[in-house]
Amino acid sequence: EAGVAQSPRYKIIEKRQSVAFWCNPISGHATLYWYQQILGQGPKLLIQFQNNGVVDDSQLPKDRFSAERLKGVDSTLKIQPAKLEDSAVYLCASSLAGGPLYEQYFGPGTRLTVT
Amino acid sequence: GENVEQHPSTLSVQEGDSAVIKCTYSDSASNYFPWYKQELGKRPQLIIDIRSNVGEKKDQRIAVTLNKTAKHFSLHITETQPEDSAVYFCAAVLTGTASKLTFGTGTRLQVTL
Repeated sequence: EAGVAQSPRYKIIEKRQSVAFWCNPISGHATLYWYQQILGQGPKLLIQFQNNGVVDDSQLPKDRFSAERLKGVDSTLKIQPAKLEDSAVYLCASSLAGGPLYEQYFGPGTRLTVT
Repeated sequence: GENVEQHPSTLSVQEGDSAVIKCTYSDSASNYFPWYKQELGKRPQLIIDIRSNVGEKKDQRIAVTLNKTAKHFSLHITETQPEDSAVYFCAAVLTGTASKLTFGTGTRLQVTL
């Protein structure tokens, strides 16, 4: 089966600019996750969707980050405006449903560098 | 919320030796503990997991143990091979509506010839 797709793979922007990342989950997966992985750290969950509804966004910096999954399939994550500390790899993952019974499959990630 | 600590941050072993990575968690209600392997520049991949009703689980050269009383769990890799070199992340999950994964900080394992 095709895996989780993400684009772009790399992005370099200046601080205060805006950026958007795209994720296409595995077909049929209802649950989609966005993680932020800062160099040398483990992934941190930013937001979890169940179909097109938000299940958990408690760690999403809502003053600058936003995410949507309008049709319950693809998702976009936006940062506006970016800060230096947003430099990280942004990982998208999907699973058949929420909960640990269902393995999360990760995409290749988007490496963001904010200068 | 849940907090997961992981040690050591780096680990170097000779090929054929065993490697042990340890994690502790803070929320005694957490009940699912997966381990992920992330090779350089690649995505994390689930390698083994354990649930709170089990004390140990093995899959070929990999085993995970769980001590609920002490709130710690460990990954054991025996007969290490160069392809085991990667960053390993533990995680803890409190199952419920969101079942959020809280990751440890990672252990860089280097298997030398």
